[in-house]
Amino acid sequence: AQSVTQPDIHITVSEGASLELRCNYSYGATPYLFWYVQSPGQGLQLLLKYFSGDTLVQGIKGFEAEFKRSQSSFNLRKPSVHWSDAAEYFCAVGPKSAGNKLTFGGGTRVLVKP
Amino acid sequence: DVKVTQSSRYLVKRTGEKVFLECVQDMDHENMFWYRQDPGLGLRLIYFSYDVKMKEKGDIPEGYSVSREKKERFSLILESASTNQTSMYLCASSHRGSGANVLTFGAGSRLTVL
Repeated sequence: AQSVTQPDIHITVSEGASLELRCNYSYGATPYLFWYVQSPGQGLQLLLKYFSGDTLVQGIKGFEAEFKRSQSSFNLRKPSVHWSDAAEYFCAVGPKSAGNKLTFGGGTRVLVKP
Repeated sequence: DVKVTQSSRYLVKRTGEKVFLECVQDMDHENMFWYRQDPGLGLRLIYFSYDVKMKEKGDIPEGYSVSREKKERFSLILESASTNQTSMYLCASSHRGSGANVLTFGAGSRLTVL
């Protein structure tokens, strides 16, 4: 069965510092990979996705993620965090077939210190 | 701007009541989903639908049912609400085909069962 692990439940980072959120997955084949962000009181918004090709993908709001097949990881990074990046971040995996059954990780809540 | 609208943001119900959560999308998406979000558990798929009048069970369908009479509307039904169904419920939709795995989410419905 597929699964997604986000090892860090909470991360606190100072504004302007770099941020890295970890995501490890278990899947039978190479999956589609996603990062979503949920701001307080909002639904989830897609940050970026990896389907194939270049393993470093760029997303919105200055985020990027790197797919490492050998480590079954898809970590999310941002070089310089802004106060508005305080949110909860979810990693998800899904099949390359037409099915949409995404499996989500437990989420990482990011707090940004002034 | 494309939208998934969940009609109720906050609901408080009593144990044993029948609860309807409504979701409408204006993007002509074929696929619609209901997820449940709980702290530390991420999002778990309850039910999904690939077409009108069709439904499939997700990972945690027990205690829930769904209805999709029109393409744009997907309803989640709790026949007899219980306290362990207190949660945030998120509706999502997507196109069939190459973009099938990119979900657009509603803002969520927070249900409290007393």
